[in-house]
Amino acid sequence: DTAVSQTPKYLVTQMGNDKSIKCEQNLGHDTMYWYKQDSKKFLKIMFSYNNKELIINETVPNRFSPKSPDKAHLNLHINSLELGDSAVYFCASSRTIAGNYNEQFFGPGTRLTVL
Amino acid sequence: QQQVKQSPQSLIVQKGGISIINCAYENTAFDYFPWYQQFPGKGPALLIAIRPDVSEKKEGRFTISFNKSAKQFSLHIMDSQPGDSATYFCAASLYSGYALNFGKGTSLLVTP
Repeated sequence: DTAVSQTPKYLVTQMGNDKSIKCEQNLGHDTMYWYKQDSKKFLKIMFSYNNKELIINETVPNRFSPKSPDKAHLNLHINSLELGDSAVYFCASSRTIAGNYNEQFFGPGTRLTVL
Repeated sequence: QQQVKQSPQSLIVQKGGISIINCAYENTAFDYFPWYQQFPGKGPALLIAIRPDVSEKKEGRFTISFNKSAKQFSLHIMDSQPGDSATYFCAASLYSGYALNFGKGTSLLVTP
């Protein structure tokens, strides 16, 4: 199936640990994003990559580091996890064409719980 | 700073009724206004979207109304069904490739 996929679906870990979330899209898109959805369901952009290059880096602690090995993958590595990092993290992708709709497709999310 | 404001926070509508969700934005440079639907445990899914050069767009039971001068847009769900019960997010962005700025979401419950 064509889609945006994320692994793992659930991630439970202790404070201070380092963890990674993986994202893959097979839609042929050239731009990928990470969004964070907090406990009140508010969705906020964290990062955006276009053709493997970082183009958006919102005010996110430098403990969060995105890595894009190729156009189809965008991983999120988090160091020294804190309680406040508990949230649902969504990967999304879109095709960037001048004048095109900014239609973004979202993955199923990764629920991170920091204990 | 919240760039897109959404109301109401929650909405209860009877089956067959009309659900209306409103959003307002500040940045006049925004040129893409989508609505996303999210079911529990799932990612947001694009429902319908509009560009500011049109005032209305309809797809099936879903209609976006857009008022550029007032910097407001709204989602109307006609003949609401229990299967429409979900959280709805409005969003706005600059042109293609930019981040979506989301509203805080509206939890819609359609009762039988």
